[in-house]
Amino acid sequence: SSELTQDPAVSVALGQTVKITCQGDSLRLYSATWYQQKPGQAPVLVVFGKDNRPSGIPDRFSVSTSGNTASLTITGAQAEDEAVYYCNSRDITGNQVLFGGGTELTVL
Amino acid sequence: QVQLQESGPGLVKPSQTLSLTCTVSGGSISSADYYWTWIRQHPGKGLEWIGNIFYSGTTYYNPSLKSRVTISVDTAKKQFSLMLTSVTVADTAVYYCARDRTGHYPPYAYNWFDPWGQGTLVIVSS
Repeated sequence: SSELTQDPAVSVALGQTVKITCQGDSLRLYSATWYQQKPGQAPVLVVFGKDNRPSGIPDRFSVSTSGNTASLTITGAQAEDEAVYYCNSRDITGNQVLFGGGTELTVL
Repeated sequence: QVQLQESGPGLVKPSQTLSLTCTVSGGSISSADYYWTWIRQHPGKGLEWIGNIFYSGTTYYNPSLKSRVTISVDTAKKQFSLMLTSVTVADTAVYYCARDRTGHYPPYAYNWFDPWGQGTLVIVSS
């Protein structure tokens, strides 16, 4: 299928670990990229490639892939991590771009 | 560092054409390393890829919008533009421009959008 599926919402206790997943057939060929979006702001690149983070993104954000599922793990979630997280990849043709529907993360 | 800035009307009437421009500063638009992309976000909803363009003019569009979308590039002005025809209220959204880059780590390829423009809200209303 030409879509990426994310759980709509996830919650985590402050300081605990949370995994946000993204599923799609394209992920067998294309690694997922992850973005964080806070209200009223443009999305911000969080993790891309094997495990690359732009400067300023803490190393508590990490990624993994298994089959058609990509995961973003936040180890020791902080209050400032509360946001919507989107995954993206190219589709299986390589010419289109897919976005997941987004996962709203609540830090309790 | 590279910065992107969207510009264009914030209000468009139904059936008219939405036109936006993204200006690239702090870097080259003519690099073979990047695609230049338009993405939109309906109010309270997720991200939707509209399409992208290479500096040579090669374009790819979201199939759901392809019949109404044109993306063009002006390398001399370091700008790329979006035209969306026959707009309806369903085209009301925040429109972002972004730089799209591709990488590889075997067996995977990947792309990432960075940087993004700040986004511009376009409202379709009479």
